[in-house]
Amino acid sequence: KNQVEQSPQSLIILEGKNCTLQCNYTVSPFSNLRWYKQDTGRGPVSLTIMTFSENTKSNGRYTATLDADTKQSSLHITASQLSDSASYICVVSPNSGNTPLVFGKGTRLSVIA
Amino acid sequence: GAVVSQHPSRVICKSGTSVKIECRSLDFQATTMFWYRQFPKKSLMLMATSNEGSKATYEQGVEKDKFLINHASLTLSTLTVTSAHPEDSSFYICSAYDFLGTYGYTFGSGTRLTVV
Repeated sequence: KNQVEQSPQSLIILEGKNCTLQCNYTVSPFSNLRWYKQDTGRGPVSLTIMTFSENTKSNGRYTATLDADTKQSSLHITASQLSDSASYICVVSPNSGNTPLVFGKGTRLSVIA
Repeated sequence: GAVVSQHPSRVICKSGTSVKIECRSLDFQATTMFWYRQFPKKSLMLMATSNEGSKATYEQGVEKDKFLINHASLTLSTLTVTSAHPEDSSFYICSAYDFLGTYGYTFGSGTRLTVV
């Protein structure tokens, strides 16, 4: 069964600190993995997208890594800001094209002053 | 980048009435659009997949007669919640897939439906 597991479920960090969110998946076949940020009451916004051949991708203070052999991904946030408080969702696409995505349940990040 | 406009962002309706939610891809053609429902602090749950010009494919447990989906053009899909009940209150999000594969999946900003 295609599944995406994220950890931790929730996380609280101080402003300015770094953090790393984890994502393990069992989706097969695998096309690409995406990290989204979802603010409360809003739709998800794409942060990064990686294919199986990519190991790392950055988008500003966000850096995603992918190990296709172990089927693990991480999202590292550096120098956190209050506005980073949101849910971060790991999403895997089983195939290229217009097939439904497989969603993780997300990590709820709270950045406090 | 790709933009998906979802309207309305919030709607309150009375039980028994119908509500239509629109999802538009503003700068790309979307052959496929996905409709999701999200409960508080939960992940997105796929309701149905709609392909332009054909009937939508509904996920198990989703009533197609209650959640009517129309995808009449490459830039517009609509979800109509018919005879709404309080238990239909939820956050509904659409996602559009870029026909050319340039942008991949782009999500709308969501619609908060409250049925009173």
